[in-house]
Amino acid sequence: SQQGEEDPQALSIQEGENATMNCSYKTSINNLQWYRQNSGRGLVHLILIRSNEREKHSGRLRVTLDTSKKSSSLLITASRAADTASYFCATDVGGAQKLVFGQGTRLTINP
Amino acid sequence: DAGVIQSPRHEVTEMGQEVTLRCKPISGHDYLFWYRQTMMRGLELLIYFNNNVPIDDSGMPEDRFSAKMPNASFSTLKIQPSEPRDSAVYFCASSLVGVGTQYFGPGTRLLVL
Repeated sequence: SQQGEEDPQALSIQEGENATMNCSYKTSINNLQWYRQNSGRGLVHLILIRSNEREKHSGRLRVTLDTSKKSSSLLITASRAADTASYFCATDVGGAQKLVFGQGTRLTINP
Repeated sequence: DAGVIQSPRHEVTEMGQEVTLRCKPISGHDYLFWYRQTMMRGLELLIYFNNNVPIDDSGMPEDRFSAKMPNASFSTLKIQPSEPRDSAVYFCASSLVGVGTQYFGPGTRLLVL
């Protein structure tokens, strides 16, 4: 099974609203990352949060990490049509130098 | 930097044919990853290299798949013989450190008829 699992699988909101996506994982991690994938494109890194951090901001993005619950959330504020994409969380696994990606949340912003 | 470069961008082939996908990582990155993405299975790590050496190929589905990295600026993923179930988008990514930020190429969309 996936190390990271996103919730919900799909989310549709109106432009200007906030979008929240969640990620749960199973084992201890060193860091957790969020990526965006526009249709037909490769994944693009958004933000990395380390295991000793609880919250991180980047522009309209806010990421939280709760290691006790093994979960993270990505908040996109004041959403725009251009935010329409799939969003993936990724975590390292067991000290190996690789990431495991979740199945993603498909976000649709309606104008 | 031009980012991670993959070729071809699209490949249509017939079952049984050999397929070779190519990747040029970002200069200076020590790690290179090959992924496969399908609707059913999501994004799967096939194999990754560190300093041109294969470290973990546990994700390679079967012996029909092979990957090489002859130097720091080039890697190939080969499927021989190809089958319809290999149809997917194949991504190459590179990073400075294994668990750091990964930079993805645009992907190769493979269709095996």
